[in-house]
Amino acid sequence: GENVEQHPSTLSVQEGDSAVIKCTYSDSASNYFPWYKQELGKRPQLIIDIRSNVGEKKDQRIAVTLNKTAKHFSLHITETQPEDSAVYFCAAGGILTGGGNKLTFGTGTQLKVEL
Amino acid sequence: DGGITQSPKYLFRKEGQNVTLSCEQNLNHDAMYWYRQDPGQGLRLIYYSQIVNDFQKGDIAEGYSVSREKKESFPLTVTSAQKNPTAFYLCASSMKAGARTQYFGPGTRLTVL
Repeated sequence: GENVEQHPSTLSVQEGDSAVIKCTYSDSASNYFPWYKQELGKRPQLIIDIRSNVGEKKDQRIAVTLNKTAKHFSLHITETQPEDSAVYFCAAGGILTGGGNKLTFGTGTQLKVEL
Repeated sequence: DGGITQSPKYLFRKEGQNVTLSCEQNLNHDAMYWYRQDPGQGLRLIYYSQIVNDFQKGDIAEGYSVSREKKESFPLTVTSAQKNPTAFYLCASSMKAGARTQYFGPGTRLTVL
């Protein structure tokens, strides 16, 4: 099955700096790579996703890059703000024939943005 | 994701008891999923269902059971066979086709006393 590794487990940055979180996956058949943000005690919320036919995707301060050859993808947050502080999860998976998709999640990165 | 509800928010269970966690969605999503979240381990897939009356085991199905009698509902039963059930349980749903983004419910925190 799929195996996703995520680094670093904790990340502390100064407000306004950039943050980068990296993930690797093992299954070359995976073709969908979402990123979720989870605040303490709350549900994970999708912040951005990318499919294997795209190398980069950007949404305001957030961007994701995908290197299919190396089987790794990264989340980039620019101009970080205190409200970006949360746990971020990457995931990798494939679209199921019968509908939906099956995801394997990384172990999460605790991002802390300091004033 | 506001269209997915889970109940109860907190649940306490004595050892040896079965408990059922509720998950309901009004998003007209075909696919539904159950995940378990433990500290430092991310989310792990327990079961998923792509259509009514059908479901598949995920990566950690042992000690759990599910049913999918209605499109809107996907309850999870934690049985006494689950040796370490204390965890945060998250339900999710997605469309069958298209973007297939998984939207999560608010979660149920289960504690075994």
